[in-house]
Formats: sequence, structure tokens, C-alpha cells
Amino acid sequence: DVKVTQSSRYLVKRTGEKVFLECVQDMDHENMFWYRQDPGLGLRLIYFSYDVKMKEKGDIPEGYSVSREKKERFSLILESASTNQTSMYLCASSPPGPENSPLHFGNGTRLTVT
Amino acid sequence: GENVEQHPSTLSVQEGDSAVIKCTYSDSASNYFPWYKQELGKRPQLIIDIRSNVGEKKDQRIAVTLNKTAKHFSLHITETQPEDSAVYFCAAIGGNKLTFGGGTRVLVKP
Repeated sequence: DVKVTQSSRYLVKRTGEKVFLECVQDMDHENMFWYRQDPGLGLRLIYFSYDVKMKEKGDIPEGYSVSREKKERFSLILESASTNQTSMYLCASSPPGPENSPLHFGNGTRLTVT
Repeated sequence: GENVEQHPSTLSVQEGDSAVIKCTYSDSASNYFPWYKQELGKRPQLIIDIRSNVGEKKDQRIAVTLNKTAKHFSLHITETQPEDSAVYFCAAIGGNKLTFGGGTRVLVKP
């Protein structure tokens, strides 16, 4: 069974702080994703990666960056946290292929920026 | 890019009744349409999917239909049970990105 582990379940940060959200998967998946989940807006793709050191912008990359130094780890970085980045962040991984399916999600990190 | 709209945003049904969730997409090149279910406090999980070369797919009490001409697809849940209460997300693959709809919160009342 695929396991996607996010380092924190809840996080509270101050405006302007640099924030790191870590994600590790144990199934040797090539594809990894970061989504944010907000009520009524569904899951919106921030960044994704199909290979080590590779990254592509999703639909809402502004204010975020990512790092993929190892295949199993995909980090999301908020360069200077702002209150509008308060949200639930979901990491996911999937096997290779154009369908990105199935997505295996982590439990999520609920980030509050004050 | 792809745009996916999902309706309704909330749906309340009596146990045993059917539930239908509808989604529309914008990119006519989209060819894969998964549905994810997220129970309260849990992670989303894939429950069923459909590809553009078929019009309907069933798995026990759930079914999906796809109308490529109209660019819409639907999730049908029959004989709803309390464990069907959850948020459901439709999605479509456009280019190399999976785009999700806004979600439907389904409440099954006993």
C-alpha cells in the first residue's frame, strides 16, 4: 500500500516567515504533486514534478517554490508566508503515465498564517 | 488550460435514494476523468474513472457517464448509504495536468 507522508498535520506561522512543507512517498513513484484545498475551490495544483530535480508550475504557483532533490521527497516552500496562504496543503504521488493516476494523497497539512 | 465546473456544491439525500453529481469541462482534448471521494478528516481517494473511448462505467452502486460532445460527465450513486456521506471531486486531465472541480458535499440522511 502506497504511503505518502506529510511532515506536519498542523502548522501555525507568522506573516513573512519562510515555510517548508515536506512530503515523502515510499512507492518509488516518479510523479509528485502539491495541491491546496479550499472550500468551494476544490483541489488546485501548485507545482508538480515528474522526476528528480524537475519541476513544473501548476495553476497557482505564485508565492510558492518546490524542491525535488531525491525521488521520494518533494518539498513545498512558501518564500514569505502571507495570510492568503492559510489553507490545507495536500501532497500526492502517482505512477508514471499521462493520466497521473491514481493519485495517492498524504493526510494534509493545515497551515495557518497569522 | 482546462476548467472543470462541478454541481451541486452540496447534496442532501435520504438513505436509499440516488445521488447525481455533474461536471463540465472545457478542453475538448481531455481524455481521462477520475472521481475522488474524501471522507471527513481523511485524504481523497480514487473511487472510479472513465476514459473518453467509453460512455459509461459501473462499479457496484456507483456509475459514471461521459458525453464528449457536450463535454460533461456525471457520477451516479444508487441506494445511498450513510458511508456515502463525503465530499466528491471530479477531475479531467488536460495536457499533462489533472484539474479538479470544486467538490460536492454529499450528506446521506438516515
